[in-house]
Amino acid sequence: KQEVTQIPAALSVPEGENLVLNCSFTDSAIYNLQWFRQDPGKGLTSLLLIQSSQREQTSGRLNASLDKSSGRSTLYIAASQPGDSATYLCAVTDNTGKLIFGQGTTLQVKP
Amino acid sequence: GAVVSQHPSWVICKSGTSVKIECRSLDFQATTMFWYRQFPKQSLMLMATSNEGSKATYEQGVEKDKFLINHASLTLSTLTVTSAHPEDSSFYICSADPGQGNTEAFFGQGTRLTVV
Repeated sequence: KQEVTQIPAALSVPEGENLVLNCSFTDSAIYNLQWFRQDPGKGLTSLLLIQSSQREQTSGRLNASLDKSSGRSTLYIAASQPGDSATYLCAVTDNTGKLIFGQGTTLQVKP
Repeated sequence: GAVVSQHPSWVICKSGTSVKIECRSLDFQATTMFWYRQFPKQSLMLMATSNEGSKATYEQGVEKDKFLINHASLTLSTLTVTSAHPEDSSFYICSADPGQGNTEAFFGQGTRLTVV
């Protein structure tokens, strides 16, 4: 059974810092991995999608890497801003097409 | 990206009543939609996979008679919480898949259900 774990559960950093969020999964047989952002009481916004054949994806200040063989992904946020404060969720698509989510990392960027 | 609209965004209902939540794909057809439930400060848990024109597939531990799913068209899936109780209060989110496997999932805005 696929399990997705995110570390840390919560993170607080001063504005301007670069930071890394970690995601690990137990079964390397995945179609893709996605990083989402969720603001309190809101739905999910897709940030980055990495196909199983890819190693990384970049969008603006965000960079996500994927090491399928070791079951790991990282989300790198450069020059963090208070507006980046949110919960970040990692999810893998398994071989049945289902999304399996991690527990999320709640990020607070202090001005 | 593709747009998924979920309605209502929040609802308060009395214990024992039923509530219907709609999930629509606005600019694409989705043969498959997914329904998730999220408790406070927890991650999303898949409840069921909704397939257009056929019965939904429920995850282990999810009561299919309590959470009725109908996927009558390629752009609409509904989740009905029947005989709701306070423990059903939660955040329900749907997603729609424009393709198969390797495609990005698009999520609705979520529905906050409070049963009093």
